[in-house]
Amino acid sequence: AQSVTQPDIHITVSEGASLELRCNYSYGATPYLFWYVQSPGQGLQLLLKYFSGDTLVQGIKGFEAEFKRSQSSFNLRKPSVHWSDAAEYFCAVALDFGGGTRLMVKP
Amino acid sequence: EAGVTQSPTHLIKTRGQQATLRCSPISGHTSVYWYQQALGLGLQFLLWYDEGEERNRGNFPPRFSGRQFPNYSSELNVNALELEDSALYLCASRTTGSNQPQHFGDGTRLSIL
Repeated sequence: AQSVTQPDIHITVSEGASLELRCNYSYGATPYLFWYVQSPGQGLQLLLKYFSGDTLVQGIKGFEAEFKRSQSSFNLRKPSVHWSDAAEYFCAVALDFGGGTRLMVKP
Repeated sequence: EAGVTQSPTHLIKTRGQQATLRCSPISGHTSVYWYQQALGLGLQFLLWYDEGEERNRGNFPPRFSGRQFPNYSSELNVNALELEDSALYLCASRTTGSNQPQHFGDGTRLSIL
């Protein structure tokens, strides 16, 4: 069965610190992978996507993600977090979404 | 280009009533998806329409239904509303191709009193 797991429900980081949000998946075929961000009261905005090729993909707002087939992971990273990054982040494999990780940023 | 638009923004109903939510996809997108996002429950897949046909539905009772019109816009209907139907309902559209991302609207907040 296909599944997407985001192990961390909540994460708090200090502004300026680095960030890594975890995403693990179980999928039979070569996955199409996405990260979305949702600000309060709004829909989801696409941050980045991976289909094939270079396993390190760059997205908007300074985010990047690395596809690791051997670990069935697609973790999202940002070198320096800004207060405006506080939101909920969703990993998706094709049309299946993880449960989300809520990011809080301390000043 | 205009994004996915949903209406109304907010909807307040009472138990037992019926609710209709509307979604207009991005021009050129033929697939429309509906999700329920209840507090603390993440995104739960409801329905998928493509080219006017229902292609898949999630694990929801039959009182959740919908349709897609010839212009690819879509309606989600929820009958016999229950308190637990209170949630943000998100619509997404996508162009043809399994590697294409979904584009989301800002949702309809449905509150059941």
